[in-house]
Amino acid sequence: AQSVTQLGSHVSVSEGALVLLRCNYSSSVPPYLFWYVQYPNQGLQLLLKYTTGATLVKGINGFEAEFKKSETSFHLTKPSAHMSDAAEYFCAVSVITGANSKLTFGKGITLSVRP
Amino acid sequence: DSGVTQTPKHLITATGQRVTLRCSPRSGDLSVYWYQQSLDQGLQFLIQYYNGEERAKGNILERFSAQQFPDLHSELNLSSLELGDSALYFCASQRAVEETQYFGPGTRLLVL
Repeated sequence: AQSVTQLGSHVSVSEGALVLLRCNYSSSVPPYLFWYVQYPNQGLQLLLKYTTGATLVKGINGFEAEFKKSETSFHLTKPSAHMSDAAEYFCAVSVITGANSKLTFGKGITLSVRP
Repeated sequence: DSGVTQTPKHLITATGQRVTLRCSPRSGDLSVYWYQQSLDQGLQFLIQYYNGEERAKGNILERFSAQQFPDLHSELNLSSLELGDSALYFCASQRAVEETQYFGPGTRLLVL
């Protein structure tokens, strides 16, 4: 079975500072990896995903993540935080088994951005 | 807008009652997944349907059931509701198993 660990529940950065949200996964087979963002009172929006190929993945809103197999990590970064980035971020892993690719989510990290 | 719709947005009901949550997937998507988001359990996979058939089950209680209809919309039925069933229920649709799941806005259920 696969699992996701997101250390810490809350990260606070200043506007313009680097954003780094950590994600480690566990999977017995090559996984697909995702970052989703949830704004208050909204659903989940895909930021980016890794399936195969290039390990540095670029997403929407200036976010990117790097798949590091040796470290079983998929950390999310953004060079310069914006106030509008304040939200909850979820890392997720999926493994395809037959016609199913259910997502297993981490507990989520709340990102606050200080002016 | 993901193209996935869920109704109702909010639902308030009492313990012991039964409710039905509805999900319409994106046009062309055959798979529907249901997830529950609660404060103590986080986001958990409940069940998946593909073209009308149940394909996978996760942490879904026996009091909960789902189905997918010929027009591909899906319903999640929650019965004998308990206070602990209060949560956000999301559905997600997917075109093919290797593709992205797109989430609806969710239904917020409050059991009093």
